[in-house]
Amino acid sequence: DAGVTQSPTHLIKTRGQQVTLRCSPISGHKSVSWYQQVLGQGPQFIFQYYEKEERGRGNFPDRFSARQFPNYSSELNVNALLLGDSALYLCASSLGSARETQYFGPGTRLLVL
Amino acid sequence: GDSVTQMEGPVTLSEEAFLTINCTYTATGYPSLFWYVQYPGEGLQLLLKATKADDKGSNKGFEATYRKETTSFHLEKGSVQVSDSAVYFCALRGNSGGYQKVTFGTGTKLQVIP
Repeated sequence: DAGVTQSPTHLIKTRGQQVTLRCSPISGHKSVSWYQQVLGQGPQFIFQYYEKEERGRGNFPDRFSARQFPNYSSELNVNALLLGDSALYLCASSLGSARETQYFGPGTRLLVL
Repeated sequence: GDSVTQMEGPVTLSEEAFLTINCTYTATGYPSLFWYVQYPGEGLQLLLKATKADDKGSNKGFEATYRKETTSFHLEKGSVQVSDSAVYFCALRGNSGGYQKVTFGTGTKLQVIP
């Protein structure tokens, strides 16, 4: 069975630009969460979506937004990119919204110049 | 808020040595606890988990016991291999209003030398 997939794998942007990252969950999973992992740190929670609704949000500015589609795939958008947004962005999926185990994708590595 | 503290690395061991990576946590209620592993250039893989006090999670020779009295979830393996070289993250999922926020430690890099 296919795991969580993310695209693109790598991305280079310049300050002030906007970026869209994509995630496809494991088949049958209805929840998608996004995490930011800065080099040398643990992942930080950004959002969780379940059944196309936002269920939780971490401590990130409004430049970060996301949505979930009817097929449960998800997009993470970041506007007005800053150098500090350079990180590995991880998507995780799970069956439900609360107590099920999350399974992570390989991530999208974003570099902002 | 929730937090996870794990021992700083890097940890360098010889093949077949015993491994311990310490992890302690702060959370309200009864969180679920996890160890994830990240190989170079890859995403996170769930290694093991425990959902209640005194549970022991185990996988691939690794094990960790949920100790509520000491708020700890130390990772152990009796005999490490070169292929175990990776970064290990301790994490918890708290009781945060019905959604899944997983809080991670900063990671411990393990290097196993032949």
